[in-house]
Amino acid sequence: DIQMTQSPSTLSASVGDRVTITCRASQSISSWLAWYQQKPREAPKLLIYKASSLESGVPSRFSGSGSATEFTLTISSLQPGDFATYYCQQYSYYPYTFGQGTKLEIK
Amino acid sequence: EVQLVESGGGLVQPGGSLRLSCAGSGFTFSDRYMDWVRQAPGKGLEWVGRSRNKANGYATEYAASVKGRFIISRDDSKNSLYLQMNSLKTEDTAAYYCARGGIRPFPSYYFDYWGQGTLVAVSS
Repeated sequence: DIQMTQSPSTLSASVGDRVTITCRASQSISSWLAWYQQKPREAPKLLIYKASSLESGVPSRFSGSGSATEFTLTISSLQPGDFATYYCQQYSYYPYTFGQGTKLEIK
Repeated sequence: EVQLVESGGGLVQPGGSLRLSCAGSGFTFSDRYMDWVRQAPGKGLEWVGRSRNKANGYATEYAASVKGRFIISRDDSKNSLYLQMNSLKTEDTAAYYCARGGIRPFPSYYFDYWGQGTLVAVSS
C-alpha cells in the first residue's frame, strides 16, 4: 500500500498568515493527489484535485503543487473559516490512502 | 444540486451485521463509481471500498481491513449504494461516508461529493 505522510500534524497560525502543509507519498503517484478540508462534525470537502487543480467554488487563496512523491497545500492568507483539519489522498493505486491529517489551529 | 444521504447506522454487537445505504440525487447515479470511506472517532479517514459503474461491470474493490466481511452493492434504479457489514469488530466503529467518484477507469478520479455520514458503533 502507498503510505501518505503529512507534516506537520498540528499547525498553529493567525488570521492573515500564509501556511503550507506537506504531503509525501511512499512511491510515485504522478499527480493523482487530492486535498480535503474537514471541520468538526462535518464531512470532508474537496479543495484540490490532480495535485494543483482548484475545485470549483473553492477560494483562490488555496493552492496545491507537486508531483511524484512530494506535494504541498498552501493557504495564502488564512481566514477564520480555514481553521480545520486537512487531509491529502492518493487516488493512483488501490487501496486509496489518506494522510493522517494536519490540524490547523488558531494561534 | 448533488446530494448523498447515508442511513442505517446504529449500535451493533461484535460479530453482528448491519447494512448501510446511501441515496444519491442531483446527478446521474448510474454513471458514477461510488465509494465508502470511514472515520473512527477522533481519527483520520480510511477508504473502505468502491463500486464501479455498470459500464465497468459493477466491479468492486475493498480495503484489506474489510475484505471478506463487507460487501458493496448498488441499485441504480433506486440511485442507491449499499454497504453490507458482517462479522463486525469493535475496530469497525466509525462514521461511514459515501463519496462520489469518477465515470471511467482513467483518468483516475477523486471524491468530489461526500454524504454527511452515518455512525456505526460496535460494542457489547
